[in-house]
Amino acid sequence: EPEVTQTPSHQVTQMGQEVILRCVPISNHLYFYWYRQILGQKVEFLVSFYNNEISEKSEIFDDQFSVERPDGSNFTLKIRSTKLEDSAMYFCAPWSNGYTFGSGTRLTVV
Amino acid sequence: ELKVEQNPLFLSMQEGKNYTIYCNYSTTSDRLYWYRQDPGKSLESLFVLLSNGAVKQEGRLMASLDTKARLSTLHITAAVHDLSATYFCAVDIWRAQKLVFGQGTRLTINP
Repeated sequence: EPEVTQTPSHQVTQMGQEVILRCVPISNHLYFYWYRQILGQKVEFLVSFYNNEISEKSEIFDDQFSVERPDGSNFTLKIRSTKLEDSAMYFCAPWSNGYTFGSGTRLTVV
Repeated sequence: ELKVEQNPLFLSMQEGKNYTIYCNYSTTSDRLYWYRQDPGKSLESLFVLLSNGAVKQEGRLMASLDTKARLSTLHITAAVHDLSATYFCAVDIWRAQKLVFGQGTRLTINP
């Protein structure tokens, strides 16, 4: 079982709604990453986060996306207004001498 | 832009046979990772390869890295059904602050 817990494990939302995906690492990582995987496809980088700032983001990570670490431990990915094409598995991946992928959240936008 | 390509993308094999999955990448890399993914699950780390000529083995899986050829291989020896999964290679360029994944190889091992 992954050491990094993500909640919820599955979320179904209507198009246009906001969703917040949460990641709870066990150790106090400094580097965090979010990746997504559309069903049956490869894993794609979304954003990296270091020292409470975005350090790198992909073209997928547009203005509808945001990340933060609101309480110093949980790490969140917010999608402000979901689209059908946002349906995917979302993985957080804290980095500490290697990447540890979280348990994943399956987001279904209907 | 870094590109990572795996082949084959689909592989169906019989138990007991050997096979190799190939991972080519386009630029100099700091680390190369191999992951296993079962349907609907997360990515499980199998190997991290750090330097040219690195070889790591775990059970029936062996991974190697040739940085000059920009090629990594994942070799499966005497396959068993439990190894059926999708296998991804991923290349890490630290200064790029991200992992770039290959397309994945869906491996099916038939009794």
